[in-house]
Amino acid sequence: RKEVEQDPGPFNVPEGATVAFNCTYSNSASQSFFWYRQDCRKEPKLLMSVYSSGNEDGRFTAQLNRASQYISLLIRDSKLSDSATYLCVVRHNTDKLIFGTGTRLQVFP
Amino acid sequence: SAVISQKPSRDICQRGTSLTIQCQVDSQVTMMFWYRQQPGQSLTLIATANQGSEATYESGFVIDKFPISRPNLTFSTLTVSNMSPEDSSIYLCSVLTSTDTQYFGPGTRLTVL
Repeated sequence: RKEVEQDPGPFNVPEGATVAFNCTYSNSASQSFFWYRQDCRKEPKLLMSVYSSGNEDGRFTAQLNRASQYISLLIRDSKLSDSATYLCVVRHNTDKLIFGTGTRLQVFP
Repeated sequence: SAVISQKPSRDICQRGTSLTIQCQVDSQVTMMFWYRQQPGQSLTLIATANQGSEATYESGFVIDKFPISRPNLTFSTLTVSNMSPEDSSIYLCSVLTSTDTQYFGPGTRLTVL
């Protein structure tokens, strides 16, 4: 079983739609949580950190449920430019990042 | 933020040869890492590059195959030794800054024939 699991998608949604991605992690010692975005043939870039209280950055909302070891990302009012692969990432106390396999999002006009 | 450059950006190599990838960051960083991303896959950590001492390798990766140097706080190299087609991948340098944010370099796309 992978340490960080995501639905690989692809999620095909029209512009303006709301889409949610889920992620589960198996190591209860995980300390920090992130969503990264990776465009085709590019390096991953940090989208947002995920906090226990939940956090929002514009159209993006991230939630963490430590009891269920579950992380989510909600994108509202999808734009064409949101098309990318979204990587769920956890970090242990050793500073190592563990990546999920990513969820592909394709927003169409 | 941290600006990371990698050289070369891509290369095509013959099996049995070795390639050294360089990573340069524009500021002193806490930690440096090397990742591999095989086609259609997510990122896998190869090792943590330690300044002035041997790198810390993850399970499945060994120093003889992936020697790493980190002579100072802003520079590291990864060598892919005795390459085979299975080593074809994107190799990414990554750094952890004092703001606890991890950044990635643009990657080196390696094809082994």
